[in-house]
Amino acid sequence: SQQGEEDPQALSIQEGENATMNCSYKTSINNLQWYRQNSGRGLVHLILIRSNEREKHSGRLRVTLDTSKKSSSLLITASRAADTASYFCATDDSSYKLIFGSGTRLLVRP
Amino acid sequence: DSGVTQTPKHLITATGQRVTLRCSPRSGDLSVYWYQQSLDQGLQFLIQYYNGEERAKGNILERFSAQQFPDLHSELNLSSLELGDSALYFCASSPQDRIDNEQFFGPGTRLTVL
Repeated sequence: SQQGEEDPQALSIQEGENATMNCSYKTSINNLQWYRQNSGRGLVHLILIRSNEREKHSGRLRVTLDTSKKSSSLLITASRAADTASYFCATDDSSYKLIFGSGTRLLVRP
Repeated sequence: DSGVTQTPKHLITATGQRVTLRCSPRSGDLSVYWYQQSLDQGLQFLIQYYNGEERAKGNILERFSAQQFPDLHSELNLSSLELGDSALYFCASSPQDRIDNEQFFGPGTRLTVL
């Protein structure tokens, strides 16, 4: 089944820097979502981008989608220590399943 | 706080036992989703219910079953537990049965099988 794979697996940056994480998937999608998970807690929805959209913004978040390359990127600008978390992309499945990638662990150092 | 509640928060049990995890969706949400998160398997979709009926099935073992009750709360039953079933189990809810909308996750139940 299709699956999003995030890259890198782990990212460590200084507060104030930008963080970019990528997601690749295997088959056609209707939409792609990004979620954040603080250590051991529930996931929080960040943003959804549809297959006919190329870019979307939400606050300090910028998501791009390239359906020809089957990839998406999540950019967090001016990162804060509170952004430290794991970030997952999730792609839809034609049979109503949401498939999550393996996640990127982001550490923002104060 | 997402509005989704899960009980219990932690569960420790022995191999071969059976446990029940409970989820109450956000007020007004008709869909409930169950996920398993483990270190080796990542976040796996198990099953979805919409307004009391099974809507989609993922990598759910035959030893596992779920249901959604008329008041829309859901229970996930895990039986003949094995060490490998130790994981975080999340419930999520959404207003509709479509997956192209935001899902709201509960805090999870951490299951430890000894």
